This record gives sequence, structure tokens and C-alpha cells, in this order.
Amino acid sequence: EIVLTQSPGTLSLSPGERATLSCRASQHVSSSYLAWYQQKPGQAPRLLIYSTYNRATGIPDRFSGSGSGTDFTLTISRLEPEDVAVYSCQQFSSSPCTFGQGTKLEIK
Amino acid sequence: QIQLVQSGPEVKKPGTSVKVSCKTSGFTFSRSAVQWVRQARGQRLEWVGWIVVDSGNTNYAQNVQGRVTITRDMSTSTVYMELSSLRSEDTALYYCAAAPDYLRGSYRFDSWGQGTQIIVSS
Repeated sequence: EIVLTQSPGTLSLSPGERATLSCRASQHVSSSYLAWYQQKPGQAPRLLIYSTYNRATGIPDRFSGSGSGTDFTLTISRLEPEDVAVYSCQQFSSSPCTFGQGTKLEIK
Repeated sequence: QIQLVQSGPEVKKPGTSVKVSCKTSGFTFSRSAVQWVRQARGQRLEWVGWIVVDSGNTNYAQNVQGRVTITRDMSTSTVYMELSSLRSEDTALYYCAAAPDYLRGSYRFDSWGQGTQIIVSS
């Protein structure tokens, strides 16, 4: 089973700052099979990025994904107050599919 | 527009079974894959399993293997997840999510149901 480790656990930044969230895999993950989700309290997860780089429909271009192999990154270029959420990565490269433990993003 | 509507909350006793439905609309059901994801209160998302709708092929997480069955009904565009031999650890919010273009190679699970709360308690 591929273990996804996200860091940091919690990130506290100010509006307008840049957020960099990491997702590290215990084994190689094909870039086609890595996704990022945003989850706000009381809501279902929302797909942000699929296949490492591709923004889902309606996702602002402030959100971008990058990486390859075992290291993947979600970047939010200019934080806005509504970005407060937990961000999780998921891999489909190897069964069973797995999620990271999430990064909680707080806005100061 | 794409919609996934899940069945309502369930309270079950340990050792019994539960079957949750996920009725889909707004996309070509036969081209899709549907995954089930659960989340205990305050915990991470946990993948339960998925089904490729066209073939009916399924894949399950190891910790529910043997207790979970995911099926689909092509006539109603509905996916079901049945979990048996329920334990307290199965208490969670269960979500279905669809990748409408799975057969075109896209793992874009961008449509999610509203979640179904399952409580397992004696």
C-alpha cells in the first residue's frame, strides 16, 4: 500500500501570501493518478487538481499542482480568507487507492 | 448538471449490514467509475473501494475486503455500497464520488454525493 504523507500538518498564513503544501508518497506514483481535494467544515471534498497538474472545472488559477515520482505539491499563490480548509491528496496509481492525512490551512 | 444523491442516515447494530445508495444523473453512467470514501469524525478521508461501471469490476480497501460489496444498477444509474459484519469502527460519513470520463482515462472524481452518516452502536 502506498502511504501518502502530507506536510505540514497545519499551515497558518496571511491573506495574499503563498501556500505550499506537500504530499510525499512511499512509492512511485504516476503523475496521471495524483489528485488534490479541498474540504471545508461540514462539506464534501471538492476536487481541486487531478493528474498532478490539471485544475478541475471552476477552480481559480491561484491553485496549481506540480511534482512527480514521490513528491507532489499544491500551491495556492495568493491566499484568500475562503481558502480556509483541509487539503488532502489521493493516489490512484496503485491499489488500494490512498489518501494523505491532510493539511489544515488557517488564515491569520 | 451532474448530481449524486445518496440515501439517508442509518443506525445499525454491530454484526449487521447496511446498504447505501448513490443515484447519479447528468452524465453517461456507463462511461464512469464511482468510488466510495468514508470519514470518521475528525479523521482523514479513507478510501473504501470503487467500481468501473461499464465492466462492473471492483476494487476494495484491504481493511474492508470481504465485508464490502459495491454494485451498480444500469437501469437507474445507481451505485450501491453494502457493508456487512458492521463494527463500531465503521461509524463514519460515507461519500460516493464519480469520475464521469473514466473510460477516457480521466480519474477526475469531481462530483461528490452529500454523504451518508452510518452509526454502528449497540
